[in-house]
Amino acid sequence: DAGITQSPRHKVTETGTPVTLRCHQTENHRYMYWYRQDPGHGLRLIHYSYGVKDTDKGEVSDGYSVSRSKTEDFLLTLESATSSQTSVYFCAISEGGSQETQYFGPGTRLLVL
Amino acid sequence: SQQGEEDPQALSIQEGENATMNCSYKTSINNLQWYRQNSGRGLVHLILIRSNEREKHSGRLRVTLDTSKKSSSLLITASRAADTASYFCATAFNFNKFYFGSGTKLNVKP
Repeated sequence: DAGITQSPRHKVTETGTPVTLRCHQTENHRYMYWYRQDPGHGLRLIHYSYGVKDTDKGEVSDGYSVSRSKTEDFLLTLESATSSQTSVYFCAISEGGSQETQYFGPGTRLLVL
Repeated sequence: SQQGEEDPQALSIQEGENATMNCSYKTSINNLQWYRQNSGRGLVHLILIRSNEREKHSGRLRVTLDTSKKSSSLLITASRAADTASYFCATAFNFNKFYFGSGTKLNVKP
C-alpha cells in the first residue's frame, strides 16, 4: 500500500469550531488531493496541491482552506465547521496528476454537531 | 457537471456470474480510471485507460472506452464474494483534476 496516513481518523466537533485534518505521505508524490464523500455524491474534490505552496480549488472548496508547506504534508482546515461539513474526508496522492493513478488514504470521519 | 456517472447504481449477482457496470461522461477526457471501494475503506485503483485506447485487461477485469459515445464499461468475469464493493469511474479532463461518479454498488452473493 502507498504510504499515506490521515489524522485524526475520527473526529466529533461542534458547529463553529475550527478543525484541521492532516494528510501525510512517504511517497514523495507531487500531487495531493482532498476529497469528501457523501451518500449519493461519490467523491467530490475540495482542494488539491501540485507542489509545495501550490494549491488550487476543486468543486466544493467553499468553507475549506488548505496548506502545503512540505512535500509530505497537506492540511485541510475547516475555519468554522458547519453541520453540512459532516462527511468522510479522503486524501489522495499522485505522482503525475490526473495522468496517473491516485492512491488513497484510509479516510477521516468527521461529525459536526 | 463534468462528472462521470455510473450505471446501474446497484447490481446484485450470484458468485460466478459476470458483472458489467457502465460510466458515461460529458466532455472530452485525457483518461478514465476505475476504482473499487470496500465498505468503510479508501479507494483502490483498478485500471487506467487513456483516450487513445479502446480496451484494457487486468486479470478478471476488462475495461472498454468508447470516446465517440463518451462511455466506458467495466466487466468483472467469474465474480467472487470478495468482489462485493462499490465501483467508481474517475475522469480526467485536464492534467490536474479527477471527477468521480456516484458509483455502482455491487453485491456478489455466495
